[in-house]
Amino acid sequence: KAGVTQTPRYLIKTRGQQVTLSCSPISGHRSVSWYQQTPGQGLQFLFEYFSETQRNKGNFPGRFSGRQFSNSRSEMNVSTLELGDSALYLCASSLVGGLTGDTQYFGPGTRLTVL
Amino acid sequence: AQTVTQSQPEMSVQEAETVTLSCTYDTSESNYYLFWYKQPPSRQMILVIRQEAYKQQNATENRFSVNFQKAAKSFSLKISDSQLGDTAMYFCAFSGAGSYQLTFGKGTKLSVIP
Repeated sequence: KAGVTQTPRYLIKTRGQQVTLSCSPISGHRSVSWYQQTPGQGLQFLFEYFSETQRNKGNFPGRFSGRQFSNSRSEMNVSTLELGDSALYLCASSLVGGLTGDTQYFGPGTRLTVL
Repeated sequence: AQTVTQSQPEMSVQEAETVTLSCTYDTSESNYYLFWYKQPPSRQMILVIRQEAYKQQNATENRFSVNFQKAAKSFSLKISDSQLGDTAMYFCAFSGAGSYQLTFGKGTKLSVIP
């Protein structure tokens, strides 16, 4: 099976712009989660989607949003970019997530740099 | 809210030796799951080992094993016969049953020295 894929792998944006990141989960996985990884804050949970519904959201401002499509692919969007949004954004997929402690499988990440 | 603490920011071990990475967590839940993930330099995060809290038996996966002490809320990872390919950041993570997120520790950077 193909693993979790994320596009693009690298992005450079300027402050004030917006960006959309894409994630394709492992075939058959219906839960997709997003995490932000920075040297200072470590790995922080952004949100999780299952069957096109957001089930949980982390403590991030409303500039961070996401969605999931009927084929389980997911996108996250960051509007009005700030310098502090520079990070590695990781997507992870699992079968159903949640109750059973499903293992999450991670993609390679998208490295976002905000200038 | 759950917290995960990894008290060793960096560690090193000689090739073929054994090393133990520490992790403690704080939760009021009785049913949960614990994970160790490995993130090699510039490569993606992969699962090393998984432990269900309701299982008393410690999980093992080839050279990797855990020491799960539920009462002490401790979940350490032992790597036996360390190999150069084990050089990576290791993250301890917690997931509550019914939770849709992983809570990660800050990580331990492990270097295996030839």
